[in-house]
Amino acid sequence: DAKTTQPNSMESNEEEPVHLPCNHSTISGTDYIHWYRQLPSQGPEYVIHGLTSNVNNRMASLAIAEDRKSSTLILHRATLRDAAVYYCILKNQAGTALIFGKGTTLSVSS
Amino acid sequence: DARVTQTPRHKVTEMGQEVTMRCQPILGHNTVFWYRQTMMQGLELLAYFRNRAPLDDSGMPKDRFSAEMPDATLATLKIQPSEPRDSAVYFCASGLAQGSKDTEAFFGQGTRLTVV
Repeated sequence: DAKTTQPNSMESNEEEPVHLPCNHSTISGTDYIHWYRQLPSQGPEYVIHGLTSNVNNRMASLAIAEDRKSSTLILHRATLRDAAVYYCILKNQAGTALIFGKGTTLSVSS
Repeated sequence: DARVTQTPRHKVTEMGQEVTMRCQPILGHNTVFWYRQTMMQGLELLAYFRNRAPLDDSGMPKDRFSAEMPDATLATLKIQPSEPRDSAVYFCASGLAQGSKDTEAFFGQGTRLTVV
């Protein structure tokens, strides 16, 4: 699977939007972009995924660049509960495993 | 609600002892994954199964680790003999893969293993 690059850490204030970037310049045409997050002392949890078009769900939005070489996870209003490690992962085949990188540690201040 | 259940949640054992970690995937899911997480290495894939058959266990130290799925409702990860460097949090996850589509992976709460 192609590699992703994320900043090690980011900070945000409560109730402000957060934009978490991910670069994946070697993405292939069949790679889906997945985002998971891991809250402290918990297992990772799914956030969102997409292929080409921007996606929205109750947790977040995913904005995918037109060339697909980068994407941004958007949390519209950060809360203290959103403090977690966010992982951007490329996956191109159903039933295969997620390969986690280091992710971005998001801190949220009140 | 449906969830992946891992037991035990915590395990402290002495070096050289056998350790068995268990995972109950979500009913109906046909893929099961085992991960290990440490501060130094992050989340590492150890092995995964589809329809109870091992697809990839290249991340697992073969001499001491073994992973099995005795049936569709139980996955086990065994370490024998255990060593202090095996201390980590072990996560199990499950998902449903059908043809070219699959669901997201659902993770359990993990088993925190300490080998002294």
